Amino acid sequence: EAQVTQNPRYLITVTGKKLTVTCSQNMNHEYMSWYRQDPGLGLRQIYYSMNVEVTDKGDVPEGYKVSRKEKRNFPLILESPSPNQTSLYFCASSSGQGFFQPQHFGDGTRLSIL
Amino acid sequence: SQQGEEDPQALSIQEGENATMNCSYKTSINNLQWYRQNSGRGLVHLILIRSNEREKHSGRLRVTLDTSKKSSSLLITASRAADTASYFCATDPKGSNYQLIWGAGTKLIIKP
Repeated sequence: EAQVTQNPRYLITVTGKKLTVTCSQNMNHEYMSWYRQDPGLGLRQIYYSMNVEVTDKGDVPEGYKVSRKEKRNFPLILESPSPNQTSLYFCASSSGQGFFQPQHFGDGTRLSIL
Repeated sequence: SQQGEEDPQALSIQEGENATMNCSYKTSINNLQWYRQNSGRGLVHLILIRSNEREKHSGRLRVTLDTSKKSSSLLITASRAADTASYFCATDPKGSNYQLIWGAGTKLIIKP
């Protein structure tokens, strides 16, 4: 089954404790991205990647890091989480051919930073 | 950056009625996509309409695109309780740096 898998689904942690949210897709997609969703603000893009070893900042990259060492994986790293990073996070992927293709989303990671 | 705006922000209708949601955007686009999000879940792609298309259908969904007005509408006919969700439009602006631009969404509630 074609899918985007995020882990963990839920995480409560404390300020300053490094954490990683993993994202993996099995569709051989070139394009992957991370979003955060906050009430009243809609989806905001954090980082995206056009292919292996190619990443770029989205609209709200501060406080986040990503890497794309393999095509299928695109982890999101919070080196020193702060309470303002409490949010619902989504990973998405799509084929990178031509114009934007339909995005496939993971089920989300609800992150609470105390 | 946000360029899409959905209207209305919330819509509550009776089961069986039609639901119409609108999306406006600011710059020229390559395509426009509609997505559905059930509460707390990931977004699911519904329809993609290209800038040279005016109307597209998928089952009970009908999407129109008016590039002169920079707007799109999503019509759900014969609504069902299972259509209760938030609906988002996303645009692929011409010349964009490989970023989809998302609206804030319309929350649709179908009353049984």
